[in-house]
Amino acid sequence: DTEVTQTPKHLVMGMTNKKSLKCEQHMGHRAMYWYKQKAKKPPELMFVYSYEKLSINESVPSRFSPECPNSSLLNLHLHALQPEDSALYLCASSQWTATNEKLFFGSGTQLSVL
Amino acid sequence: GESVGLHLPTLSVQEGDNSIINCAYSNSASDYFIWYKQESGKGPQFIIDIRSNMDKRQGQRVTVLLNKTVKHLSLQIAATQPGDSAVYFCAENKAGYSTLTFGKGTMLLVSP
Repeated sequence: DTEVTQTPKHLVMGMTNKKSLKCEQHMGHRAMYWYKQKAKKPPELMFVYSYEKLSINESVPSRFSPECPNSSLLNLHLHALQPEDSALYLCASSQWTATNEKLFFGSGTQLSVL
Repeated sequence: GESVGLHLPTLSVQEGDNSIINCAYSNSASDYFIWYKQESGKGPQFIIDIRSNMDKRQGQRVTVLLNKTVKHLSLQIAATQPGDSAVYFCAENKAGYSTLTFGKGTMLLVSP
């Protein structure tokens, strides 16, 4: 299994809603990532988890709250988002957090904030 | 600024042609480079990678060339097909950064 699975594929939410994005991998990877991607732009790093611990937070607003329940799962909890947060949210994993490791990406969650 | 960049934001080719997508990088300490393909509505898909101890690496219909002298990376796609239409990103392990740094991307459009 070389897949990173993300759910849901699409999400529409209001600015007062609370929702969660989910990500799962069964490749035994110990590093997991959240990226945000605007249309026709490269992915922007948000968070990195290494061995289930948060190792990097790229100054992401607190309305985004990551969680890593175990080595296979990664969640992103969303609360009080703004319309400018509308984007494709990508989960990725790699065997380690070394920078010479390729990232395996999921298909993403297309988020629209109304 | 100091970042991975691409010369051509859009490349249009005919089916069957060979495509070359270019990427310039400015950090001579980078020693790992990777190409991703991203189709509309999907996540980036790994194509091929190369380490700095190599100049060339081949995959199925794809070749990556690394010229460290001029800090240039290219992706060659042989016999381009309509299914190759996508945005292609290069990425490097830029010194001082904890993860891969992505370039701006090139859109490849393949006409039948």
